[in-house]
Amino acid sequence: DAGVTQSPTHLIKTRGQQVTLRCSPISGHKSVSWYQQVLGQGPQFIFQYYEKEERGRGNFPDRFSARQFPNYSSELNVNALLLGDSALYLCASEQGYMNTEAFFGQGTRLTVV
Amino acid sequence: SQQGEEDPQALSIQEGENATMNCSYKTSINNLQWYRQNSGRGLVHLILIRSNEREKHSGRLRVTLDTSKKSSSLLITASRAADTASYFCAPTYNTDKLIFGTGTRLQVFP
Repeated sequence: DAGVTQSPTHLIKTRGQQVTLRCSPISGHKSVSWYQQVLGQGPQFIFQYYEKEERGRGNFPDRFSARQFPNYSSELNVNALLLGDSALYLCASEQGYMNTEAFFGQGTRLTVV
Repeated sequence: SQQGEEDPQALSIQEGENATMNCSYKTSINNLQWYRQNSGRGLVHLILIRSNEREKHSGRLRVTLDTSKKSSSLLITASRAADTASYFCAPTYNTDKLIFGTGTRLQVFP
């Protein structure tokens, strides 16, 4: 079985640009969550989607948005990029949507210059 | 804050030694999970311990939970160089998200 896959693995963008990150969950998992991890810190929760509905949102500005598709894959979109958005963006999939084991992808390393 | 606080921030040991790292949290939990992260990569789930459990084992890993002290510990026995990683605890509540602290960076020297 394939694990959680994220694309791209690395990305360099310029301030003010927009970026879309993609995630495919483990087959059979209906929940996808997104996390941002800046260097030296733990991952910070951005969004969770379950059965294509937003179930949770972290303390991030409206420049961050996400969606989940009928096949349960997900996209994270960040508009008007700032230097501070440079981070590792992690996607996690779960069978349920609360208090279950999360399986993480390898992440997308976003650098904003 | 609902995040767990890992202690110590960094730990260096020799191969074969045991490594113990601790996690403290502030409010009642549903369960607590431990994750490992190798340098700059995704997190790997290690163990989930429920609030009504006191101890759990998985291979060389032993996790304890003391809800009266709001703390948990992760013990790695007979450490190997491959155990070098950052370790995060994530206390979970009646919410949809994992809340991570800054982690413990473990270095195991051959």
